[in-house]
Amino acid sequence: SQQGEEDPQALSIQEGENATMNCSYKTSINNLQWYRQNSGRGLVHLILIRSNEREKHSGRLRVTLDTSKKSSSLLITASRAADTASYFCATPNSGAGSYQLTFGKGTKLSVIP
Amino acid sequence: DAGVIQSPRHEVTEMGQEVTLRCKPISGHDYLFWYRQTMMRGLELLIYFNNNVPIDDSGMPEDRFSAKMPNASFSTLKIQPSEPRDSAVYFCASSYRGPQETQYFGPGTRLLVL
Repeated sequence: SQQGEEDPQALSIQEGENATMNCSYKTSINNLQWYRQNSGRGLVHLILIRSNEREKHSGRLRVTLDTSKKSSSLLITASRAADTASYFCATPNSGAGSYQLTFGKGTKLSVIP
Repeated sequence: DAGVIQSPRHEVTEMGQEVTLRCKPISGHDYLFWYRQTMMRGLELLIYFNNNVPIDDSGMPEDRFSAKMPNASFSTLKIQPSEPRDSAVYFCASSYRGPQETQYFGPGTRLLVL
């Protein structure tokens, strides 16, 4: 089964800096999603990018998708302390008879005030 | 909408006891998912339903786990008997577009089995 893997596992930056995290996957996908999880909370959907899109923006978030390299990146600009969370990429599972999302282990982002 | 609702938020029980987790999906969402999250294994899909029918239960760890969805607004995940290795955070999520589209997660149930 395919799985998105985030990189780095942990990232610590100063408030106001940009944060970039990456996701790599193994097989063809029709979309890729990014979720955020604050400590002790459920996951919150941030953005979905389809395989025919290369870049997508939502507020301070910018997601890119490179299907030739099987990778995606999530950029958070002008980070804030409130952005401290774990970020997960999710990719559709293409296993036989299986239609689900598979989540990576996440990137833990710490934004220092 | 109130979002996905889960209860209880925390559960502490002793090994061998029955545990029942509850979920109310977002109204109008035809897909409901149960996940388990641990530090070691990350987020794992246990089972998902479409229109109250279980579609994929390949992630259910063993016969001690069972899930039901008697109607469109309610689902349960039951563990009987519970074991310490079942300690985890259990999430319910729902979707209106499909199992590979955007999912909306509940706050989770933190389960500790002693």
